[in-house]
Amino acid sequence: EDQVTQSPEALRLQEGESSSLNCSYTVSGLRGLFWYRQDPGKGPEFLFTLYSAGEEKEKERLKATLTKKESFLHITAPKPEDSATYLCAVLPGISNFGNEKLTFGTGTRLTIIP
Amino acid sequence: DARVTQTPRHKVTEMGQEVTMRCQPILGHNTVFWYRQTMMQGLELLAYFRNRAPLDDSGMPKDRFSAEMPDATLATLKIQPSEPRDSAVYFCASGSPLGQGAGNSPLHFGNGTRLTVT
Repeated sequence: EDQVTQSPEALRLQEGESSSLNCSYTVSGLRGLFWYRQDPGKGPEFLFTLYSAGEEKEKERLKATLTKKESFLHITAPKPEDSATYLCAVLPGISNFGNEKLTFGTGTRLTIIP
Repeated sequence: DARVTQTPRHKVTEMGQEVTMRCQPILGHNTVFWYRQTMMQGLELLAYFRNRAPLDDSGMPKDRFSAEMPDATLATLKIQPSEPRDSAVYFCASGSPLGQGAGNSPLHFGNGTRLTVT
């Protein structure tokens, strides 16, 4: 069974204090790993897709990296507007036709204190 | 920006009542997903459709839940009868098929229907 574990569950940082969020996964092959941001009362908003170990993607203060067992979301010099829950999801590689079932982690709730 | 639209945003109902949630996927997207989110379980997939045909509803309690796509612009999720344990936020998401090459479209989520069953 595919599993995604995110840590920590919650993280409080001072503005400007860089850190990393972790997403560990076990999956039957990996077609893609996805990062989403979710604000209170909203649906998840897509950030990145990573396809293979060693791949990196960047967007503003965020950088996502991928190994064969985990992914990190690095946040550099965060601002209060980066406060949100960050979700990780995996799409397994072994599938029947049309299997597009993402398995999500439970997220890391990030709070940036001004 | 194209958006997935869900209605209603909030629903409070009594146990035993029927609940219908609606979703308008982004025009041109041919896959539609229904997810349920709770604090304890996170996001759980209930059902998904491709080209309006149901592909998988194994995550859904079949005795009380049903999902349909009457046409390409409307997806519905019904609960009958509703129970307090159904209280959660229900999300609809749409996209083009995932994992079919670089640049494939990620899932786009609506803002959910917050359901409270008393």
